[in-house]
Amino acid sequence: ETGVTQTPRHLVMGMTNKKSLKCEQHLGHNAMYWYKQSAKKPLELMFVYNFKEQTENNSVPSRFSPECPNSSHLFLHLHTLQPEDSALYLCASSQGITDTQYFGPGTRLTVL
Amino acid sequence: DAKTTQPNSMESNEEEPVHLPCNHSTISGTDYIHWYRQLPSQGPEYVIHGLTSNVNNRMASLAIAEDRKSSTLILHRATLRDAAVYYCILRSRHTGTASKLTFGTGTRLQVTL
Repeated sequence: ETGVTQTPRHLVMGMTNKKSLKCEQHLGHNAMYWYKQSAKKPLELMFVYNFKEQTENNSVPSRFSPECPNSSHLFLHLHTLQPEDSALYLCASSQGITDTQYFGPGTRLTVL
Repeated sequence: DAKTTQPNSMESNEEEPVHLPCNHSTISGTDYIHWYRQLPSQGPEYVIHGLTSNVNNRMASLAIAEDRKSSTLILHRATLRDAAVYYCILRSRHTGTASKLTFGTGTRLQVTL
């Protein structure tokens, strides 16, 4: 599946590091999303962007900072994370915010 | 948000049909029933959705009860590649909340030879 790509696929970082996750969609969609999937917990929606504007922030701590420079790219900037932030971070996109969402393969993040 | 209830796990033999149930007794008239699945080490994948009538596509069929309080995802011939966690999700038609896909814990389907 090359519709939604995410890099890196795996990331290990210390609590004082700054890193960024990248998502790119090749589907011509207008909406993009960040989700978090922790071990043994359901997927949680973090952020929603529609036409590059953030429309939803589900009470995500400020150590997670999203950026959407255009409709095809979405970033998640990470700084001073905690070990409990270790999880699979999934990006998704959809044509409009009411349409079917297509997910990327995720970035497996480990915070030491 | 209206909630869904699914069995934690199910098993099936390869080449046999699989019926994955979902209860959603508090569904509202504006909620679509969506199914996604998540294969190991992958992101979720859309399977099918419906409102009132039964639906078929190349991946599966969706049977919706007449009162809409339950639905069943049907895989007609399970293969080993269908082993995944299957999520039943209610999604409102209203724009404001429609962007939200609220995932539960899903049903883990095991397929054996």
